[in-house]
Amino acid sequence: DAGVTQSPTHLIKTRGQQVTLRCSPKSGHDTVSWYQQALGQGPQFIFQYYEEEERQRGNFPDRFSGHQFPNYSSELNVNALLLGDSALYLCASSSGPDQTQYFGPGTRLTVL
Amino acid sequence: KQEVTQIPAALSVPEGENLVLNCSFTDSAIYNLQWFRQDPGKGLTSLLLIQSSQREQTSGRLNASLDKSSGRSTLYIAASQPGDSATYLCAVEGGSYIPTFGRGTSLIVHP
Repeated sequence: DAGVTQSPTHLIKTRGQQVTLRCSPKSGHDTVSWYQQALGQGPQFIFQYYEEEERQRGNFPDRFSGHQFPNYSSELNVNALLLGDSALYLCASSSGPDQTQYFGPGTRLTVL
Repeated sequence: KQEVTQIPAALSVPEGENLVLNCSFTDSAIYNLQWFRQDPGKGLTSLLLIQSSQREQTSGRLNASLDKSSGRSTLYIAASQPGDSATYLCAVEGGSYIPTFGRGTSLIVHP
């Protein structure tokens, strides 16, 4: 079992650009959540996908959007990047009654 | 709005000490509370999950307790080891099913 995987591991972008981050959930998991973690802070919930639909959303602007595919993998898209979007982006998967979230290693995004 | 506070923010102890990390939350209407470990620049590893109906969970040298009425949880680490050095985060999941994390306790266990 490969666990939760994320790509790429690091990314450098400039202000105004767009970025797409990818996540493959743990085998057997159908729910994917995305988090943003700024340096020295706890993760902030962005949104959660289940059955290809956005089920919950945190307090993030519409510049942050996502998608879940039929194989349960997911993408996070961020448009019009700002310097403040620089952070570690974490993906977590879970399934059914087991509420334990399993996290991937994250994607480090730097916006210059 | 749920707020989660973790105390202390940082802790440095000699190997072998027993430790208590604290987590408090403002809204007691929660479904569960989860403790995580995070190594520098890495993702999170789940340590223990306590359902709202439970009082505590144990795994090896780790024991987590939950007191919903007072809005508190503690993570007890017995006989600490240098490999325990990491940031420990607690997360509370309430009625919105949106987890709220604390800022973490950074732990260093020196030999």
